[in-house]
Parts: sequence; structure tokens; C-alpha cells
Amino acid sequence: AQSVTQPDIHITVSEGASLELRCNYSYGATPYLFWYVQSPGQGLQLLLKYFSGDTLVQGIKGFEAEFKRSQSSFNLRKPSVHWSDAAEYFCAVGSNNNDMRFGAGTRLTVKP
Amino acid sequence: GAGVSQSPRYKVAKRGQDVALRCDPISGHVSLFWYQQALGQGPEFLTYFQNEAQLDKSGLPSDRFFAERPEGSVSTLKIQRTQQEDSAVYLCASSLSGRASNEQFFGPGTRLTVL
Repeated sequence: AQSVTQPDIHITVSEGASLELRCNYSYGATPYLFWYVQSPGQGLQLLLKYFSGDTLVQGIKGFEAEFKRSQSSFNLRKPSVHWSDAAEYFCAVGSNNNDMRFGAGTRLTVKP
Repeated sequence: GAGVSQSPRYKVAKRGQDVALRCDPISGHVSLFWYQQALGQGPEFLTYFQNEAQLDKSGLPSDRFFAERPEGSVSTLKIQRTQQEDSAVYLCASSLSGRASNEQFFGPGTRLTVL
């Protein structure tokens, strides 16, 4: 079965600074990869997804992620963080069986 | 249009009680998923429906957990004889088709607290 590791439990960045959230996956075939954001009291919202084609994926809210098969990674990036980006971020990997596995999440704090 | 809705938003149960959690998916969405999210953790897959058929229930933690979607729309997750370890947020998601690459749209969740 597929699995996801998010090595950073909590990250703090200053507003306006760049951001990279790490995600490593384990799956035998070409994975379907997703990044979701969860704000307090809110449902999970999809930021972006990858399942084929260009390995650099653009998402909503200025986020992007790059699929690197050789490193089994799908790191999320944003060039300039806004205070409203403070939330919990989850990387997920899906399979053809439709069961999606989530990482434990990375909590992002944005300093003014 | 309306997104995925779940009710109740909060549920407090005494240990041993049965609970039923409801999910209203986006109209026309074929696939429906249930996840359990413990405090400080990512969502864990419980079960998956395509229309009324429950195609995967491998994530249900015990036989006390039961899910149904009898008419291929609304789904109910039932937990019998609740235990303290069942305390979590239960998330429902729906997607347009059964393709794994489709986006899953999540509801706000039901926070279950078992005393």
C-alpha cells in the first residue's frame, strides 16, 4: 500500500518569505499526488494535484509543487507567504484503488 | 452550488452509545469516501462507495463501524458501542467519478467526542 511522510511537523516563516513543505511518498506505480490545506474549522481544500505530464504543477493561491520520481518527493513551494497561508498542510498519495493516504501534516505559522 | 455537508458538526457520546453520522455529497458525485482524523494526525481512509456499492471497507477499524449509502447519494457512518478511542473528526468526501485522479471535495467534518 502507498504511504506518505511529511518530515516537518511545524514550520514557522516570516510573512513575505519563501516556503517549501516537504513530502515523500512510497508507491510501486506512478502515483497520484495531492496537496490539501486545512484551516481551523474548515474542510480540506485541494491546492494542486499531479498524476501525469509536466512535473511542475501550479495550484491555487500561488502554490506550486514539483514531482521528482528519483527522490520520491512532491514538495510544495510558494515564493512569498501571506499571513492568510497559516494553516495545516497535508500531502496525499492516491492509487487506482481509490484509497488515498495522507501524511501527518505540517502546521505552518506565519510571523508578521 | 452547495458543497459536501455533514451533520451533526459536533457529537458527544457516552461510552457504549451508538452514533450515526450523516454525509450529503455534492449532487451528482458518484464516489463517496469516509475518513477518520485523530487529533494532530492526517485523515485515515475508512471506506469508499461508488454509487450505492461499497467497494472498499478495508479501513474500518472494527466491526463496530458500519457505513451505508443505500440510494447512491446520502451516506451514513454508524459506530456501535462507542469507545474513547473512537474520538476523532470524521470527514466525508465526494468526487465526480470513480477515477483516482479526480479531486475529492471534503465536508467540514463531524467532531465526535466519546466520554
